[in-house]
Amino acid sequence: AQSVTQLDSQVPVFEEAPVELRCNYSSSVSVYLFWYVQYPNQGLQLLLKYLSGSTLVKGINGFEAEFNKSQTSFHLRKPSVHISDTAEYFCAVTIPFPIGGGADGLTFGKGTHLIIQP
Amino acid sequence: EAEVAQSPRYKITEKSQAVAFWCDPISGHATLYWYRQILGQGPELLVQFQDESVVDDSQLPKDRFSAERLKGVDSTLKIQPAELGDSAMYLCASSLVGGRETQYFGPGTRLLVL
Repeated sequence: AQSVTQLDSQVPVFEEAPVELRCNYSSSVSVYLFWYVQYPNQGLQLLLKYLSGSTLVKGINGFEAEFNKSQTSFHLRKPSVHISDTAEYFCAVTIPFPIGGGADGLTFGKGTHLIIQP
Repeated sequence: EAEVAQSPRYKITEKSQAVAFWCDPISGHATLYWYRQILGQGPELLVQFQDESVVDDSQLPKDRFSAERLKGVDSTLKIQPAELGDSAMYLCASSLVGGRETQYFGPGTRLLVL
């Protein structure tokens, strides 16, 4: 079974500063990797995903993430954050078909609360 | 833009009562997921449907939870009887065919069991 560890439960950052949210995963097979954002009392919205190919993935709202297979990491970065980026961020994995046999529900980490300070 | 619809948005119930949540996925999405998100945690998969068939319900507490997607479109998740520990956000998501496809989440149903 796969698992996801988000090392920081909370990350405070000043507005316009860069930020990195860390994510490590564990799996005996190859995985697809995702970052989702959740604003208060809302569902989750996809920021970006890694399926294959280039290890640097660009997403919405200026976010990017880099897949590192040797370190089993998929850290999320943004060069300059805004107040509107305040939210909960979740890293998630799933097993590609046919390895997973079609069962491809996401396994999420516990989330990182990004707090933007003015 | 098409969205996943869920109702109700909020539900308060007493222990041992029955509750039901409804989800209408994005039109044309064959795969539907129900997740439970306890406060301060990431979502956990409860059940996955491909059309009207259950693909994965290994994490569904089957003694009290049931889920159906009779016509392969909308879905209902039921809890009977509800317990205090069931208080959580229940999220529905859908995707075209699963796997590499993006899962689109609804706004969720927040359940409080008293």
